[in-house]
Amino acid sequence: DTGVSQDPRHKITKRGQNVTFRCDPISEHNRLYWYRQTLGQGPEFLTYFQNEAQLEKSRLLSDRFSAERPKGSFSTLEIQRTEQGDSAMYLCASSHREGPSDEQYFGPGTRLTVT
Amino acid sequence: GENVEQHPSTLSVQEGDSAVIKCTYSDSASNYFPWYKQELGKRPQLIIDIRSNVGEKKDQRIAVTLNKTAKHFSLHITETQPEDSAVYFCAASIAGYSTLTFGKGTMLLVSP
Repeated sequence: DTGVSQDPRHKITKRGQNVTFRCDPISEHNRLYWYRQTLGQGPEFLTYFQNEAQLEKSRLLSDRFSAERPKGSFSTLEIQRTEQGDSAMYLCASSHREGPSDEQYFGPGTRLTVT
Repeated sequence: GENVEQHPSTLSVQEGDSAVIKCTYSDSASNYFPWYKQELGKRPQLIIDIRSNVGEKKDQRIAVTLNKTAKHFSLHITETQPEDSAVYFCAASIAGYSTLTFGKGTMLLVSP
């Protein structure tokens, strides 16, 4: 499968715990995005990277959220001290800047449940 | 920031009918408008997009129209089939800036 992949697909955690999600973009894509999707809503933009540079992070929901893409390939999204309101689907997408740069392709998502 | 409104929230049609979903956007600088289809439990899939230099784009049974003056764009599906049943999302962005703002989605149900 050459599409965007995410791991894990599901995560159940207790309130207060830290969680980390991984995203592997389409191999030739240099832009990577994180979104959050809650039930009945469209994806909500969180942050994005071009190569290893994080170009927009003001939409991260709080300082408990952070993302990295250290080598310009895969990315991780970490949520510290999880709260029940963090329960949602976390989606990753990628695109190719030099191509039709705005065509974003999504991964299957990581569904987070905070108990 | 950009705000995208999408209507209707649910749409039920008979197989073979046409379906139209409408979106409006607030930022006149937006110039890229993709549509995504999301089946239950699956990832959003890009089905068609339009840029502000054209007014209409077609791909088989799917078409999108854009009215820049009125700041609205629409998805048209002709000859609907049961497999078209899904949630459809519109989105808007400024090309090159990558921040997609999505509508709240339209659940389309196509009955055989």
